[in-house]
Amino acid sequence: EAQVTQNPRYLITVTGKKLTVTCSQNMNHEYMSWYRQDPGLGLRQIYYSMNVEVTDKGDVPEGYKVSRKEKRNFPLILESPSPNQTSLYFCASSGHRAEKLFFGSGTQLSVL
Amino acid sequence: KQEVTQIPAALSVPEGENLVLNCSFTDSAIYNLQWFRQDPGKGLTSLLLIQSSQREQTSGRLNASLDKSSGRSTLYIAASQPGDSATYLCAVGYTGANSKLTFGKGITLSVRP
Repeated sequence: EAQVTQNPRYLITVTGKKLTVTCSQNMNHEYMSWYRQDPGLGLRQIYYSMNVEVTDKGDVPEGYKVSRKEKRNFPLILESPSPNQTSLYFCASSGHRAEKLFFGSGTQLSVL
Repeated sequence: KQEVTQIPAALSVPEGENLVLNCSFTDSAIYNLQWFRQDPGKGLTSLLLIQSSQREQTSGRLNASLDKSSGRSTLYIAASQPGDSATYLCAVGYTGANSKLTFGKGITLSVRP
């Protein structure tokens, strides 16, 4: 089954404790992206990757890191999480910008 | 700044009604436009994708249109059902924006039995 898999589904952590949210797709997609969704603000792009070793900032990249060492994986790293990073995070992928975007099920992150 | 607007934020209709959801965007240099559905606590599912060269796309009871000159897209849902209750988001891909999508904040639809 074609899918984008994110883990974990829920995560509660404390300020400053490094964490990684994993994202994997099984569709051989070139394009992958991370979004955060907040009430009243909608979906905002954090980082995106056009292909392996090619990443770029989205609208709200501060406090986040990404890497794209393999085509299927695109982890999101929070080196020192802060409470304002509490949010619902989505990973997404598509084969090309002209194609449909597939989303993962989301990761609900709470930073205390 | 590129903006995508969806009004109203919420809509409630009786079952069986045909309805139209609106999406407006500020920049006509778009590459494509997608309509998504999001159920509570879930990810987004792409419903329809319209390329800039197209005027509309259809899938089952859904029809999406695109008018670049007026900066508008509509999602038409025929014979609405309670199972259509969800949040509907439109997202615009702009020319030269390296696949970045700008999302509207969505319209939460409730279809009453």
